[in-house]
This record gives sequence, structure tokens and C-alpha cells, in this order.
Amino acid sequence: ILNVEQSPQSLHVQEGDSTNFTCSFPSSNFYALHWYRWETAKSPEALFVMTLNGDEKKKGRISATLNTKEGYSYLYIKGSQPEDSATYLCARNMEYGNKLVFGAGTILRVKS
Amino acid sequence: ETGVTQTPRHLVMGMTNKKSLKCEQHLGHNAMYWYKQSAKKPLELMFVYSLEERVENNSVPSRFSPECPNSSHLFLHLHTLQPEDSALYLCASSQERTEQRYGYTFGSGTRLTVV
Repeated sequence: ILNVEQSPQSLHVQEGDSTNFTCSFPSSNFYALHWYRWETAKSPEALFVMTLNGDEKKKGRISATLNTKEGYSYLYIKGSQPEDSATYLCARNMEYGNKLVFGAGTILRVKS
Repeated sequence: ETGVTQTPRHLVMGMTNKKSLKCEQHLGHNAMYWYKQSAKKPLELMFVYSLEERVENNSVPSRFSPECPNSSHLFLHLHTLQPEDSALYLCASSQERTEQRYGYTFGSGTRLTVV
């Protein structure tokens, strides 16, 4: 199993703050990196799937970057809102097929 | 409604019981997955079905038995479970192609408690 590490484990910010978290993964045999948002009592929701070194993806106030050579991805949230409170998961594609290995997640709490 | 439906949402079972978890998707996806999330641990892959054929059995104990009768339905049959099997069981589906990578669509999960 190829470990995916996420940091920090949890984060508490004020409404309006911008924040970012990190996903680290083995850089060898890279296929794709996924980000998911998981709100309490709901299903995990796909945010981004990134495959190329230098990829940048954006969805509203959320964006992500990818560095496959050094094995990390950043997720940024600009102007955090209480509805952004969730666990953010990253996952790496295994070498073949669409099987994912997940990190433990970063828990974000945004206070109004 | 995410497109992937899991039932039941909650299940309490004794160690000698037999029960089944059900997952259904009508998204036209060709791959389905069972993941387990235990407290304080990452999601762990249990089983993968691609085109209704099991392609992964991630060293899961035989007391968990998956079944995929068609591309829209996936079951997880449970028997003689242990208290440490108490966890959230998540089903997911995706469109699997060798040349592209697609995100998963997850169900809401079944919270299982073994007593």
C-alpha cells in the first residue's frame, strides 16, 4: 500500500480567512490525485481529479495544485465560509485501474 | 441524492447474525467499490468490481463476502462478524477507463455496529 499523508489533521479558521492544506504521496508511478469534500452525515463529494504535473484546478473559491515530481498537492480555500466546514480527503490512484488509496483527511471548521 | 444509494443506513447485528448491505447505482458506471472506515483511520479499500468481475480482494476476512449480480448492484454479505468490524461501510462507483481517471460517486454509507 502506498501511503498518502495529509496535513494538518484539523484546522479551525474564522469566516473570511483563506486556508490551505497539503497532501503528500509517493511520486513514483503516479497516475492521478483526487480531492474529495466530506460533510458530516453526507457522502464524500468529488472536487478534483488531477493527472499532470503543474495541474491547477478551480471550483468557485476552492482550488488545487499538483506537483508530481516532489509528490504533493495543495488545496486552497479563499474566503472560508461556514458551509466549507467538512473533512477534505485526498487520494492517489493505484498503478492500474481506478482504485484509490486515501489519506486520513483534514478536518476544517469555519467559525462565523 | 448522489446517484449511489446504500441501505440500510444503520445496522446493529449480533456476532452470530447474517446480514447484507446493499448498494445501487444508476449512473451507468462500470466499476463499483466497497470501502471501510474505522474510527480515526483512512478509508480502506475492501473490494473492487469492474464490469461485474471482482478484480480486487484486499486481504479482507472471509466473513465479508461481496456479490455483484449486475453493473448496477453491489452487495456485501456479513456473517459471524467481530466487534472490531464495527465501522462505516461506504459504497462507490466510477467509470473506469485505462486512459482516463474519473472521480468516485459515493453512497451515504452504512453505519454498522456489531454487538
